[in-house]
Amino acid sequence: DAGITQSPRHKVTETGTPVTLRCHQTENHRYMYWYRQDPGHGLRLIHYSYGVKDTDKGEVSDGYSVSRSKTEDFLLTLESATSSQTSVYFCAISEAGVTAQYFGPGTRLLVL
Amino acid sequence: GDSVTQMEGPVTLSEEAFLTINCTYTATGYPSLFWYVQYPGEGLQLLLKATKADDKGSNKGFEATYRKETTSFHLEKGSVQVSDSAVYFCALSGGETSGSRLTFGEGTQLTVNP
Repeated sequence: DAGITQSPRHKVTETGTPVTLRCHQTENHRYMYWYRQDPGHGLRLIHYSYGVKDTDKGEVSDGYSVSRSKTEDFLLTLESATSSQTSVYFCAISEAGVTAQYFGPGTRLLVL
Repeated sequence: GDSVTQMEGPVTLSEEAFLTINCTYTATGYPSLFWYVQYPGEGLQLLLKATKADDKGSNKGFEATYRKETTSFHLEKGSVQVSDSAVYFCALSGGETSGSRLTFGEGTQLTVNP
């Protein structure tokens, strides 16, 4: 299994508070991705990174920001959490942009 | 843009039955195709992949062949087990629109009964 961890694994927070999710990899892969998974919507890409400090938006990036200051870590920040951001968040990595992506175990976020 | 269409679920089978989950795609260029599996409460796991036309991906008894002429990548297994119960996602990357992003189908829930 690819070495990908996500923290925290579960989080409950209140509307309006900032939240940061962390993805950590030990594979030295160049690409990292953040997805959210919701019933009826499948997986949707939030942001991705193609190198240290190189990031781009996905299809549902509003309300989210990301940072990647070193190869192994990719942070997802909800600046001011809303109930619509209640979801399961998955991080993924890939060696090159068109190769297979490997997913982390996910973070369950509940915004009250 | 690039897209993936999977057969609608849920699919319910008896143990040892033959499984087919249909997947068709729309993409320009030369995409790679993938099947992922998600067990309850877990992340997605890569099941198999194919990177060019006529390639066959296989793993754990599952197979899928990249058919460019029919733009399909159907997942098959000859004899399913209860432990195969999960959600299966077809996906592509490397198309001219998707580039380094994965484009997913909606997923197909499979339940295998003893």
